[in-house]
Amino acid sequence: AQSVSQHNHHVILSEAASLELGCNYSYGGTVNLFWYVQYPGQHLQLLLKYFSGDPLVKGIKGFEAEFIKSKFSFNLRKPSVQWSDTAEYFCAVNSKGTYKYIFGTGTRLKVLA
Amino acid sequence: EPEVTQTPSHQVTQMGQEVILRCVPISNHLYFYWYRQILGQKVEFLVSFYNNEISEKSEIFDDQFSVERPDGSNFTLKIRSTKLEDSAMYFCASLIARGANTGELFFGEGSRLTVL
Repeated sequence: AQSVSQHNHHVILSEAASLELGCNYSYGGTVNLFWYVQYPGQHLQLLLKYFSGDPLVKGIKGFEAEFIKSKFSFNLRKPSVQWSDTAEYFCAVNSKGTYKYIFGTGTRLKVLA
Repeated sequence: EPEVTQTPSHQVTQMGQEVILRCVPISNHLYFYWYRQILGQKVEFLVSFYNNEISEKSEIFDDQFSVERPDGSNFTLKIRSTKLEDSAMYFCASLIARGANTGELFFGEGSRLTVL
């Protein structure tokens, strides 16, 4: 069965620190990959997505993610976090041609001012 | 910008009561979903709905759950007889659906259900 793993459950960083959140998935076929963010009290919003092509994708608010097919990974990065990045981050996978989206357990990021 | 709306934002109910959570998906979207998130846990898939029928459901989505699109705009999740373990945030999502690259899900703000 498909699954998505996010190994960091809680991350605390100071402002200006660099961020990398891990995401690994298990599925043998081709996939679409997503990172969503949930700010406190708000709904999940799309940060970025990968369908095909350049494995390094750029999203909103300075976030980027790299798809490494051989490692089944889609890690999220940001070179310099801000206090406003405090949120929960979810990785999600969709098998191409299907309509099922599987989410990871989420990583709660706290950025200290 | 079009958005998915959900009501109520918070509902408190007694165990054994029926609950209906409502969602208005984005108007030109074709697939609709319910997910739930128990506090501190992952976002879990419950059910997807397309062309007025369930397209897929998870093991969580047992006979206590049902979904309906009673008119052209609403998409509802009914829990027939709530249990304590149904306490969670329930998210509705919709998808426009475009072939192999099916696009991203658009989420509502969630309905928090508390079962006492």
